[in-house]
Amino acid sequence: DAKTTQPTSMDCAEGRAANLPCNHSTISGNEYVYWYRQIHSQGPQYIIHGLKNNETNEMASLIITEDRKSSTLILPHATLRDTAVYYCIVRAYNAGNMLTFGGGTRLMVKP
Amino acid sequence: GAGVSQSPSNKVTEKGKDVELRCDPISGHTALYWYRQSLGQGLEFLIYFQGNSAPDKSGLPSDRFSAERTGGSVSTLTIQRTQQEDSAVYLCASRAGVSSYNEQFFGPGTRLTVL
Repeated sequence: DAKTTQPTSMDCAEGRAANLPCNHSTISGNEYVYWYRQIHSQGPQYIIHGLKNNETNEMASLIITEDRKSSTLILPHATLRDTAVYYCIVRAYNAGNMLTFGGGTRLMVKP
Repeated sequence: GAGVSQSPSNKVTEKGKDVELRCDPISGHTALYWYRQSLGQGLEFLIYFQGNSAPDKSGLPSDRFSAERTGGSVSTLTIQRTQQEDSAVYLCASRAGVSSYNEQFFGPGTRLTVL
């Protein structure tokens, strides 16, 4: 699987958009970009995934650059409950793949 | 519907004792995963069950670790002769099937402390 690089931590003001970057310059053509988050003392939670087109769901938007070497997860109106560690993963869309999380970005939403 | 549940939520044991951790996946999910997460660390894959296929045990750190999945549903992770380095949060996840997106639903985890 391609390696990802994320900032260790970020702060965001409550109500503002949180933009979390991820570099995945070695991503291959069949690999998707997935985002999970883990709120303190809880299991990881799926957020969104995409291949090359930008994606949006009720939780977030995912912007993938045209060359697919980086992406940004956008939480449009961050709340205090969005404080968590956010993990960017690249995986092939393939049965049975287990998840491997690196360090992720610790997002702190402040009032 | 109900999510993935795990029990116990916390387990404190003495070094050398055996422990059993339980996972109840989402009903109908054919894939089940066990992971562990040490304090401040990322996720470490342990074992994967898919339907009736032989499990992928490639992540088990030693032969003290084993897991079963009975009837394609509930799974038990057993750690024999526990060591202090086994202390971690053990997470279970389930997924709907081989043709679904790779979205795994996680349980709340079992925090294991080996004294």
